Amino acid sequence: DAGITQSPRHKVTETGTPVTLRCHQTENHRYMYWYRQDPGHGLRLIHYSYGVKDTDKGEVSDGYSVSRSKTEDFLLTLESATSSQTSVYFCAFRPQEDTEAFFGQGTRLTVV
Amino acid sequence: RKEVEQDPGPFNVPEGATVAFNCTYSNSASQSFFWYRQDCRKEPKLLMSVYSSGNEDGRFTAQLNRASQYISLLIRDSKLSDSATYLCVVNTGGFKTIFGAGTRLFVKA
Repeated sequence: DAGITQSPRHKVTETGTPVTLRCHQTENHRYMYWYRQDPGHGLRLIHYSYGVKDTDKGEVSDGYSVSRSKTEDFLLTLESATSSQTSVYFCAFRPQEDTEAFFGQGTRLTVV
Repeated sequence: RKEVEQDPGPFNVPEGATVAFNCTYSNSASQSFFWYRQDCRKEPKLLMSVYSSGNEDGRFTAQLNRASQYISLLIRDSKLSDSATYLCVVNTGGFKTIFGAGTRLFVKA
């Protein structure tokens, strides 16, 4: 168990609604990430965080925002969900800047 | 050109076979390298880190060629349980980690 959990694990939502995904880690790591995974694209970085209230954009950040008010929680919000945001979302942490990443179990999001 | 490229496969091999995956990366300043394994509908999990001197873990051998900017993964004596998608991962410095799209492996009895 890598000490990282995501909720919800599955969600179906309607186009235009806001959606928030939660990532919780128990090991006090500084670096946290949100990725989405789609067939043919692999994992693509949405946003990342390097500390409480310190976040930055990844390569596919449009339509997404994040917040990190506590070390252990990293929230991903889809401001107005679209069908193109149907995907599997993974949260991850890295113990140090240049080390391997450890992933949560993923959230399967469907936007209808 | 993608920053990290892998042959998507699928590779279909019989049990006991040796199979090799290659991965190329474009950023010559990349600092650390990994292979991950991902089972269907599961999260990626670290298989092994890749060191400049090459490293081995049981049936798995990883190698790095900085001059040609590629890393490889060799699996010997394939097992049915090795069937999965293998992801090449490159840290390019700072917070940036790039994942390849993955190579699918099917090991058949």
